[in-house]
Amino acid sequence: DTAVSQTPKYLVTQMGNDKSIKCEQNLGHDTMYWYKQDSKKFLKIMFSYNNKELIINETVPNRFSPKSPDKAHLNLHINSLELGDSAVYFCASSQGRGWDTEAFFGQGTRLTVV
Amino acid sequence: QQQVKQSPQSLIVQKGGISIINCAYENTAFDYFPWYQQFPGKGPALLIAIRPDVSEKKEGRFTISFNKSAKQFSLHIMDSQPGDSATYFCAASWVEYGNKLVFGAGTILRVKS
Repeated sequence: DTAVSQTPKYLVTQMGNDKSIKCEQNLGHDTMYWYKQDSKKFLKIMFSYNNKELIINETVPNRFSPKSPDKAHLNLHINSLELGDSAVYFCASSQGRGWDTEAFFGQGTRLTVV
Repeated sequence: QQQVKQSPQSLIVQKGGISIINCAYENTAFDYFPWYQQFPGKGPALLIAIRPDVSEKKEGRFTISFNKSAKQFSLHIMDSQPGDSATYFCAASWVEYGNKLVFGAGTILRVKS
């Protein structure tokens, strides 16, 4: 049973397109996140949701819009894709809003914009 | 602004040797320091974590050493094995950050058999 699952695993698309990445967790966690890992493997948080409420929104272009239909799902929609959006996007979840709780990551979605 | 600086960028260790990865932080408000391990094609997974009220934490072959005055912490992998070959990330967080982890740049560890 996969705890945090993302789809698709790979996504290749052209500049200017709109795409979505879906994430689901079956851990019963309250908090979900999106992280971006660039080509140098640097990991940076983008968004965090707690019980469907947005609690962290880093300086991310507004072309990126997260949506949480329920606390088990957090999707990421990206409009007008740019070459610089190419990266691996990780969804994660954790229990509660504590700063010291373990984050469980999905396997990542490798987005390539051509 | 990189709040957590990690070194080295890559590390090659012989099987059975000790792998040491270092991190330094700037924000003295940080009070939770986890290490994450990432294998190729996988997401990061929590390996071990420490709070600044202790100077060392050990779990099996993995030890975190923490120096609050120097604002540094390190991961030691004893008896390194080829299966430990992965990318290791240090991270930090604090209560005012909520559940936002600030990651170091990562260290690619290769253990030669």
